[in-house]
Amino acid sequence: EAQVTQNPRYLITVTGKKLTVTCSQNMNHEYMSWYRQDPGLGLRQIYYSMNVEVTDKGDVPEGYKVSRKEKRNFPLILESPSPNQTSLYFCASSLRQGAQPQHFGDGTRLSIL
Amino acid sequence: GDSVTQMEGPVTLSEEAFLTINCTYTATGYPSLFWYVQYPGEGLQLLLKATKADDKGSNKGFEATYRKETTSFHLEKGSVQVSDSAVYFCALIGWGGGYQKVTFGTGTKLQVIP
Repeated sequence: EAQVTQNPRYLITVTGKKLTVTCSQNMNHEYMSWYRQDPGLGLRQIYYSMNVEVTDKGDVPEGYKVSRKEKRNFPLILESPSPNQTSLYFCASSLRQGAQPQHFGDGTRLSIL
Repeated sequence: GDSVTQMEGPVTLSEEAFLTINCTYTATGYPSLFWYVQYPGEGLQLLLKATKADDKGSNKGFEATYRKETTSFHLEKGSVQVSDSAVYFCALIGWGGGYQKVTFGTGTKLQVIP
């Protein structure tokens, strides 16, 4: 089954404690992306990757890092999380940049205390 | 830059009522337009799309027509069901900053009551 898998689904943690949200897709997609969803703001892109070892900033990259060492994996790293990064996060993938549909994971709800 | 504006929700309807969710956009050139749906606890799924002016996208009884003259892509359904309760996102793909970029609206929550 074609899918995008994110882990964990829920996480409560404290300010400053490094965390990683993993994302994996099994569709051999070139393009992967991270979004955050906040009430009244919709989805905002954090980082994207057009292929292995190719990543770039989206609209709200501050406080986040990503890597793309393998085609299937695109982890999101918060080196020093802060409360303003409390949000619902989605990973998505598509065949290539601009291709639709994007396939979304089920989301990761992060709470930073 | 590109932008998408959706009507604020929540929209509450009785089962079998007619649904319209308004969406207007601002973009340079000729963007492709999409509606995504997000069911509770899940990620977004593509509902329908239209890639050029006057195209009509349709799926699961939902329809939307790409209106270039009014820069709109309103979502409609003739008779909603309780299972249609979800958040609906209007989106476009345009050429922002020299590359294809997806821009989402803020989402409209639909609640259908029996």
